[in-house]
Order: sequence, then C-alpha cells, then structure tokens
Amino acid sequence: DQQVKQNSPSLSVQEGRISILNCDYTNSMFDYFLWYKKYPAEGPTFLISISSIKDKNEDGRFTVFLNKSAKHLSLHIVPSQPGDSAVYFCAARPTGANSKLTFGKGITLSVRP
Amino acid sequence: GAVVSQHPSWVICKSGTSVKIECRSLDFQATTMFWYRQFPKQSLMLMATSNEGSKATYEQGVEKDKFLINHASLTLSTLTVTSAHPEDSSFYICSARDGRFYNSPLHFGNGTRLTVT
Repeated sequence: DQQVKQNSPSLSVQEGRISILNCDYTNSMFDYFLWYKKYPAEGPTFLISISSIKDKNEDGRFTVFLNKSAKHLSLHIVPSQPGDSAVYFCAARPTGANSKLTFGKGITLSVRP
Repeated sequence: GAVVSQHPSWVICKSGTSVKIECRSLDFQATTMFWYRQFPKQSLMLMATSNEGSKATYEQGVEKDKFLINHASLTLSTLTVTSAHPEDSSFYICSARDGRFYNSPLHFGNGTRLTVT
C-alpha cells in the first residue's frame, strides 16, 4: 500500500523552463511534507519542506505547493538548470518530529541544456 | 547545516560474512537515527529506527537478528549485516535529524553500497 505516490517516473524539461514535480498521498495523518534530491550513489539531500498549516513555501528557485483537500503537493523549479537533473523524492510524515518518514518512488528529472 | 557521515561508502564481502556500517552525526546530537535501504529504481524503505541507549525498532519484515543496530552514543549508530547473502546487496542509507529545532528535516548520509558475492 503506497501511501506516497509519485506517478510519473520521469520528466524532461528545457533549461530555463519550469519543472513541476507532482506527489499524491493517501494518509490523512500526514502533516509535514518534504522534497529530497538524490544523485546516484549518494544519500538524499533535503530541498524544501512544508507543514500542513501552509499551502505554499518558497526557497529561491524552489516552491512547494500543498493542497490538503486533494492530498496533493507539487514542487516547482524555476528556472530549471542542467544541475537540477537528479531523482526527486517526495516524503511525508505524521505529527511528531521523530515519526516515520514515508517516501515516494521518486521521479527522475532531466533538464536539457 | 546538519551533517551526517556514513562509512564505508561501498563494501564487497563474501557470503556468510558480516559487515558493519557506521553512521555519525557530525555537528549535532541525535537521539534517534533511521536506517533505510534502497533497491535499484525503488523508493527508500525504512528498515529500523535506532534509539540511543535502547533497542532499535524494526519495520515489519526486517529481521532484527540479521540487521543488528547499535546506538551507543548520541552521535553514532551502527548497522551490522550478519551472515550476509547476495540478496542483501543493496544501498543502505542512514539519517538523523537535529532535535534542537522543531520540524527540522531528516539529513542523510551518503549511503553504503553493499555487494555480497
């Protein structure tokens, strides 16, 4: 039972354009959401997070949007750069700082020069 | 930011031997660390939660006698894969969060690629 779903396995965008990575979740107890970026043979690197009391969080080129009613979040990267090419994981956890983090399967983003 | 160091980054061992992987929080204390495993083209799967000074909590389907976890200090957790078999070959990643900050994210080590021949 996949509680965090990233239904598109890959995305290819042109440099300078916007990348939109989507994530859906099923567990209504989740209230904290994170995006991680991962290169091959490395651990995930934290990118940006959002708590359920917000619907948007922005950090430089990265913006995360949360639609609680739809149980959907998205990561926008604009403008996209070739160095953004990586696997992006969506993750979620319920209340409690040490509660378990559940990951999606990831989406491979390729930014074409 | 918070740094988590994992060692070794890769290891090749023979079937039947044991392998120890170390995970250290370098600039913060971590009462809780998490061990994940990732198979090719799959998500990160939580194996166990490592608690300083007490027993680890294992996820369903993870054999506690096979994957021994020790969290002897606030900055070090170890995962020992005992009597390794080829099916244990995987990418193992540890993580921890800086408990001084509310809702701080999990930070991950760089992972350990284990290959059992």
